[in-house]
Amino acid sequence: DQQVKQNSPSLSVQEGRISILNCDYTNSMFDYFLWYKKYPAEGPTFLISISSIKDKNEDGRFTVFLNKSAKHLSLHIVPSQPGDSAVYFCAAAVSNFGNEKLTFGTGTRLTIIP
Amino acid sequence: DAEITQSPRHKITETGRQVTLACHQTWNHNNMFWYRQDLGHGLRLIHYSYGVQDTNKGEVSDGYSVSRSNTEDLPLTLESAASSQTSVYFCASSEREGPYNEQFFGPGTRLTVL
Repeated sequence: DQQVKQNSPSLSVQEGRISILNCDYTNSMFDYFLWYKKYPAEGPTFLISISSIKDKNEDGRFTVFLNKSAKHLSLHIVPSQPGDSAVYFCAAAVSNFGNEKLTFGTGTRLTIIP
Repeated sequence: DAEITQSPRHKITETGRQVTLACHQTWNHNNMFWYRQDLGHGLRLIHYSYGVQDTNKGEVSDGYSVSRSNTEDLPLTLESAASSQTSVYFCASSEREGPYNEQFFGPGTRLTVL
């Protein structure tokens, strides 16, 4: 039972264009969401997060949008660069004090075409 | 620079053998985690620890154990390795409790059980 779903296993985007990665969740208790980026043979690294009290969070070229009614979030990368080629994991959490459990999606492999 | 390391990076073992994967962090973080990454499942939490002598079961803890005798290390033991435990294992740490705090991941250990 996958509570966090990334339905696109892969995505190819031209350099300079916008990359949009999508994530859906089923557990209405989730109130904090994160995106991690992973290069081959390395561990995931934190990219950006959003609390459910917001619907948008921006950090440079990266913006995450949250639609609570649709239980959907998306990561926008503008403009896309070759170094953005990686696997992107969406993760969700219930932010009770002391609750460290992150539920991860299956990942989307993003390839930026020069 | 502070870091989190895992050893070995690659391991091949036989069914039924006991295997221990090492995780060492120099961040002085209280919280440490073990995940496994499998195709179609993303990252799943195996065990986690909030401090010395504290250990907790995660989503997929059967067949695994951890111990926390100091702040820096959280070794993961597969008591009797099974082919279903072939996976990539990631260790992570974070400074404080709660999902708001970034988890720093190690580079991973690829384990093959024959």
